[in-house]
Amino acid sequence: AQTVTQSQPEMSVQEAETVTLSCTYDTSENNYYLFWYKQPPSRQMILVIRQEAYKQQNATENRFSVNFQKAAKSFSLKISDSQLGDTAMYFCAFIDTGGFKTIFGAGTRLFVKA
Amino acid sequence: EPEVTQTPSHQVTQMGQEVILRCVPISNHLYFYWYRQILGQKVEFLVSFYNNEISEKSEIFDDQFSVERPDGSNFTLKIRSTKLEDSAMYFCATRIVNEQYFGPGTRLTVT
Repeated sequence: AQTVTQSQPEMSVQEAETVTLSCTYDTSENNYYLFWYKQPPSRQMILVIRQEAYKQQNATENRFSVNFQKAAKSFSLKISDSQLGDTAMYFCAFIDTGGFKTIFGAGTRLFVKA
Repeated sequence: EPEVTQTPSHQVTQMGQEVILRCVPISNHLYFYWYRQILGQKVEFLVSFYNNEISEKSEIFDDQFSVERPDGSNFTLKIRSTKLEDSAMYFCATRIVNEQYFGPGTRLTVT
């Protein structure tokens, strides 16, 4: 069975600093997609960044970047220049190319302190 | 940018009542999903729907739940007889290629 593990229930970072959220996953598939979603207090799911497993280059979206290590099945999210608005729950997620469902990790609650 | 919409945003119902949660998918998307998130817990897959039938469902999706696309646009989740433990956020999602687009969610409160 495919699983996604986020080992950090909570993290905090000072405004303008950099923080890295960890995620590991388990799958026997070779082709798949990985995502990070942000869930603010409104509880809406907002896509932050996605990574295709067949691409070696790490995805980047403005202040957000990932460190994708396919052999280690690791997919961490780095947030640079953290802002107060980054305070939220962050979910790592996996979908295989059969693509019928997204599997989520348990989430990491991030607090950005002024 | 096209988006998935859900109504209502918040539904309060009494235990044992039927509820219908509605979703309007993005128009050219063919795959539809419902997920559930109990407060403080992870997002859980309920069911996927393609070509007017269920393609996969989880253990959570028992006989109390049903889905349909009655008019070719709305995609609904019905809970026949709600229980206290059905209180959760319910997310609709639609998919194209391998990216899912989530709706804003419906908060269901069962009292």
